[in-house]
Amino acid sequence: AQRVTQPEKLLSVFKGAPVELKCNYSYSGSPELFWYVQYSRQRLQLLLRHISRESIKGFTADLNKGETSFHLKKPFAQEEDSAMYYCALLMDSNYQLIWGAGTKLIIKP
Amino acid sequence: GAVVSQHPSWVICKSGTSVKIECRSLDFQATTMFWYRQFPKQSLMLMATSNEGSKATYEQGVEKDKFLINHASLTLSTLTVTSAHPEDSSFYICSAGDRSEIRETQYFGPGTRLLVL
Repeated sequence: AQRVTQPEKLLSVFKGAPVELKCNYSYSGSPELFWYVQYSRQRLQLLLRHISRESIKGFTADLNKGETSFHLKKPFAQEEDSAMYYCALLMDSNYQLIWGAGTKLIIKP
Repeated sequence: GAVVSQHPSWVICKSGTSVKIECRSLDFQATTMFWYRQFPKQSLMLMATSNEGSKATYEQGVEKDKFLINHASLTLSTLTVTSAHPEDSSFYICSAGDRSEIRETQYFGPGTRLLVL
């Protein structure tokens, strides 16, 4: 069955430290993965998707099919990165997104 | 990116009344829209998939007679919470995919906070 797992509910790091938010998936089809971010009191926003291979706000994520992972990384965390981060998998059959439980990232000054 | 709006942004109603929430794609056409509930400090729960011109597809455990979905046009889907009760209080979010993009991306509305007294 399709599933997205974000093992950390909460991740707290100091400003300037590297950040890695973990995401693992289970999907029999061809995975298309996204990271969405929700800042306090704001709507969910697309942060990045694996097919575009972009780096947005300093974040990158590489799809590792062998490990079925799509971890989100940033080398130097900034305070404005504090938010909820959701990993999601798009099912190509019906365009539904399968969501991870989310990770709350807190960047300490 | 594409913009999705929701109206109202928040609503307070008495128990037993019905509440309609609109979701619009402002600058693109969306054949499919999705409705979610988000409980405090929890992830999104997909309620139903709204298909333009046809019946919505509901997730298991979601009462279709309670949460009526209408997708009358390529830019508008509505969710009506009928005979609302306090346990229906939640944050409702819609999303829509821009099919004109090579690979569809879901864009989210700002959400509607419903409080049933």
